Amino acid sequence: KAGVTQTPRYLIKTRGQQVTLSCSPISGHRSVSWYQQTPGQGLQFLFEYFSETQRNKGNFPGRFSGRQFSNSRSEMNVSTLELGDSALYLCASSLGASYSGNTIYFGEGSWLTVV
Amino acid sequence: QQQVKQSPQSLIVQKGGISIINCAYENTAFDYFPWYQQFPGKGPALLIAIRPDVSEKKEGRFTISFNKSAKQFSLHIMDSQPGDSATYFCAAAQTGANNLFFGTGTRLTVIP
Repeated sequence: KAGVTQTPRYLIKTRGQQVTLSCSPISGHRSVSWYQQTPGQGLQFLFEYFSETQRNKGNFPGRFSGRQFSNSRSEMNVSTLELGDSALYLCASSLGASYSGNTIYFGEGSWLTVV
Repeated sequence: QQQVKQSPQSLIVQKGGISIINCAYENTAFDYFPWYQQFPGKGPALLIAIRPDVSEKKEGRFTISFNKSAKQFSLHIMDSQPGDSATYFCAAAQTGANNLFFGTGTRLTVIP
C-alpha cells in the first residue's frame, strides 16, 4: 500500500512568488491535513480537509490556503512568499474526519526555500 | 502558546540504556497522545500512541506512561540502539479534531 505522496520534494522560490504543493493521501483515506515544520517553530498545524471541506484551520495568515479534490488529493498554496515561509511542508492523511481510532500518517514533505 | 511542552531538547544515551522523554499538556480536552519518530529528511512516523483510559502502553522496546492527574506523559525506550537515533515528538489531539499539537522535539543520540 503506497504511503502519503508529496510533490515536489524540493523547490526554491523567490520572495513575492506563489507556490502550490501537492499531496496524494493513502488510498481510502479521506482526511488530509497540512503542517509546517521549521527549526524555530517546530511542527505547526495549517489546515485539515475532509470530503473536500476544510474542517479545521491553524493560526496562519490568509496567504496560506488549500483545497481537496473529490479523489481526496489535496493541494496547498502559499501566495506572496516571504523568507519566513521557508520550511518543510508536511501532508498527513487518515481514514476519517476524527483522529479517533485513525492513525495519522505523514508524507516525507516538500522542502520549500524562499530566497 | 505551546500547548504541549517537551523535554529534554536533546538526549545522549549509551547503547543498551534507557531513553526517557517527557511531555506535559494543559488542555484537559486532549484525549489522544501519540509519539512520532523522525529521521533526517523524512516525515514523522507514528511510533506509539495512548489514550487517557490507560496509564501505560507498551509496544516492543517502546513504552508510554501516562499520568492524567499530572497531565504528563512520557516515552521510554528500553535497550536503546544506535538505530533509534532520531528526533522524537510527542503530540496531543482531542476527539472531533484532526489536528495534532506537537511538542518541540527531542533529538536522541544513542552512542555505540
